[in-house]
Amino acid sequence: NAGVTQTPKFRILKIGQSMTLQCAQDMNHNYMYWYRQDPGMGLKLIYYSVGAGITDKGEVPNGYNVSRSTTEDFPLRLELAAPSQTSVYFCASNRQGADGELFFGEGSRLTVL
Amino acid sequence: QQQVKQSPQSLIVQKGGIPIINCAYENTAFDYFPWYQQFPGKGPALLIAIRPDVSEKKEGRFTISFNKSAKQFSLHIMDSQPGDSATYFCAATSGNTPLVFGKGTRLSVIA
Repeated sequence: NAGVTQTPKFRILKIGQSMTLQCAQDMNHNYMYWYRQDPGMGLKLIYYSVGAGITDKGEVPNGYNVSRSTTEDFPLRLELAAPSQTSVYFCASNRQGADGELFFGEGSRLTVL
Repeated sequence: QQQVKQSPQSLIVQKGGIPIINCAYENTAFDYFPWYQQFPGKGPALLIAIRPDVSEKKEGRFTISFNKSAKQFSLHIMDSQPGDSATYFCAATSGNTPLVFGKGTRLSVIA
């Protein structure tokens, strides 16, 4: 039981490049989330999904896209990377009705130069 | 728009001390208030949580105090240890809406 797995752990991008952060969970959770964490700013929700085929915007969705074709996977796509997207990205999941108990991955540190 | 305000931003205590981290919220629809603990290089992990029908909850050395009328809740760590050094986040949610997090408190416990 691996929990929530994120890849890659580290990545450096040039301005204007695109990439996909991968997230997979093996707990059969319906709900999945992407947060970004910046120093002193807490965790801000980018996108979330309540099940396969359903996604919704969070607080800071601009510059990102997501898809949810399976229960297990929830990739985050960065289009035209900008320095403001330099951050640590966390994927999380929980079962329906878990009232907030999230299981987080170990994070993906992205630097845009 | 910050829905959960957390303070202080950082905190240094000596081993055995009782650090207190405070959070305040505005949305009266919130009905679940968890605290998450994050060690460097790791994702946050659930530490303890409370619902507004109780004023206090203890789990080991960790205690949440909840004041519904003031819309505030706090985390107390009894007999703090160097291993408690981490970043702590309060959060809130109503039903199945995504968690809203505070900005975090970096705690250092020095021997």
